[in-house]
Amino acid sequence: QALLVQSGAEVKKPGSSVKVSCKSSGGPFNSYTISWMRQAPGQGPEWMGRIIPNIGITKYAQNFQGRVTITADKSTSTTYMELNSLMSEDTAIYYCAREMRLTPAGGPFDVWGQGTVVNVSS
Amino acid sequence: DIVMTQSPDSLAVSLGERATIHCKSSQSVFYSSNNKNSLAWYQQRPGQPPTLLIYWASTREPGVPDRFSGSGSGTDFTLTISSLQAEDVGVYYCQQYSSTPRFGGGTKVEIK
Repeated sequence: QALLVQSGAEVKKPGSSVKVSCKSSGGPFNSYTISWMRQAPGQGPEWMGRIIPNIGITKYAQNFQGRVTITADKSTSTTYMELNSLMSEDTAIYYCAREMRLTPAGGPFDVWGQGTVVNVSS
Repeated sequence: DIVMTQSPDSLAVSLGERATIHCKSSQSVFYSSNNKNSLAWYQQRPGQPPTLLIYWASTREPGVPDRFSGSGSGTDFTLTISSLQAEDVGVYYCQQYSSTPRFGGGTKVEIK
């Protein structure tokens, strides 16, 4: 059974960067798309971007273009999400999730990591 | 971007009664290649990540109880819990995958 395990909570200063990891197990890592989302308190998830690990192709949401980088290490079945120029509004729970490739635009998310709390505070 | 709007924001339902949640997209999410709608529903319990319940608007994920059902087409969709159980308390989200993925704002379901 596929499992995604994320790195631990982070506390960051405004203007700094954070890098969150997501390790996949129990499934063929390279066959899937991994997306990253975040969820602020009381709000729905917000999609940030995705990577297809076996070919390294990425796509980012317009809201995060230029500020987010998603990478993958096939040797460890791990995906990374780095967000730069942090602001207090970036305080949220960050999730990785496996995206089912049902259409050219993507698909629903059937396996989720446990979430990583990122707190941005001076 | 296709914007998703859910209603109501919250609802309280007695155990064993029906709960109905609505989701409206700003554009059609119909996928002509298979005549299905690119719409998914999730349940999120407190302190947990969302879990996928339904995709293609009405296809249940394996293991999801059959009291959960999805319907609708084009821009208007409904999630129905036919007989609410205590473990169904949480927030429910719709999500479209017709373009850049986008979630609705959520509907909180509580026991009356």
